[in-house]
Amino acid sequence: DAGVIQSPRHEVTEMGQEVTLRCKPISGHNSLFWYRQTMMRGLELLIYFNNNVPIDDSGMPEDRFSAKMPNASFSTLKIQPSEPRDSAVYFCASSRDWQPQHFGDGTRLSIL
Amino acid sequence: AQSVTQLDSQVPVFEEAPVELRCNYSSSVSVYLFWYVQYPNQGLQLLLKYLSGSTLVESINGFEAEFNKSQTSFHLRKPSVHISDTAEYFCAVSVIGGTSYGKLTFGQGTILTVHP
Repeated sequence: DAGVIQSPRHEVTEMGQEVTLRCKPISGHNSLFWYRQTMMRGLELLIYFNNNVPIDDSGMPEDRFSAKMPNASFSTLKIQPSEPRDSAVYFCASSRDWQPQHFGDGTRLSIL
Repeated sequence: AQSVTQLDSQVPVFEEAPVELRCNYSSSVSVYLFWYVQYPNQGLQLLLKYLSGSTLVESINGFEAEFNKSQTSFHLRKPSVHISDTAEYFCAVSVIGGTSYGKLTFGQGTILTVHP
């Protein structure tokens, strides 16, 4: 079975540019989670969805960040405008009900 | 609110030695408990979980963890480690039921380094 698929795997862009990260959850999973991982802050939950509806976005750092889930098989995390401090590894994870989450391999984002 | 404390940020050990990675949690409600492992440049992989039943849970690669409700702990152990066990390990909890939908609260991680 295919796992959680994230794209791109690596992204390097200049400050001020718009960045869009993509995630395809495992088929049949009804919850989707976006995380950010840095050396300084560790693993942070940014936002999560259940049945395509955002449940808790209190982890989103500021208005430059937005996330959408237009259908059960696709989600995006957008940063506009991007800043160097947004450099991190961004993970998407999915699960069904209260079963353990399955993680993608992440997107390594570098903002110059 | 829940919190997870991993008591050691780094644990160096020699190959074939035993290891224990410590995890304590705080929660006012019942929780599920998990250990995830992250190898370099990869995502997190579920290592083992405690949902209910026996308080001792095992993984397929020799790790085990014991849920201790009175001490609110879920320590991870392995009697003999291999070089390939070198990775970062995360302890996590999720609230049972409600509107959390499996939201995880993670500890800060423990880097296990196995030396030859």
